Amino acid sequence: ETGVTQTPRHLVMGMTNKKSLKCEQHLGHNAMYWYKQSAKKPLELMFVYNFKEQTENNSVPSRFSPECPNSSHLFLHLHTLQPEDSALYLCASSPGYEQFFGPGTRLTVL
Amino acid sequence: QKEVEQNSGPLSVPEGAIASLNCTYSDRGSQSFFWYRQYSGKSPELIMSIYSNGDKEDGRFTAQLNKASQYVSLLIRDSQPSDSATYLCAVAPEYGNKLVFGAGTILRVKS
Repeated sequence: ETGVTQTPRHLVMGMTNKKSLKCEQHLGHNAMYWYKQSAKKPLELMFVYNFKEQTENNSVPSRFSPECPNSSHLFLHLHTLQPEDSALYLCASSPGYEQFFGPGTRLTVL
Repeated sequence: QKEVEQNSGPLSVPEGAIASLNCTYSDRGSQSFFWYRQYSGKSPELIMSIYSNGDKEDGRFTAQLNKASQYVSLLIRDSQPSDSATYLCAVAPEYGNKLVFGAGTILRVKS
């Protein structure tokens, strides 16, 4: 498999559930990102990882918990989410400035 | 607050016409500029990058950069209905490796 992959592609969860989103990149990049895109809103940067270290947390609520075990994998752990957290969650990777996006996970919180 | 501004549109052009998408940015030290295309329900796809003043052409796409005016544009020649999408302008600030994205311009190409 090539590029940036994300699983699952669709997720429906209740507010008391715990779930995780997974991102994997096969491009040899050292930076990985999580973005949130709500309907009719611009991309919101959530987290940035460089060489497995978190270098940016854009004031994201603690119910979102990222994990980066290595430069190829990135997770977003979700717990006690709110309906307003329903959105498209995008992962991206980058060798420098250009970012390459995965297909996204469409999350619905009931 | 570093900002990237785009007209939200929609910009409607007839098939075969030239579509012109514009973007301004606030960080004068920015060095790298990108255009992404995003179809409805899909993720953004990088279509153009430009780093120096002037024009850069790739097929039907031309990116134009004017750092003095802090302005970057994307021209799409011979527009096709398949070009209908939201176009995101992204700017790399002088320091760091995160991009600042504009809100996007919706382009509609009518056949």
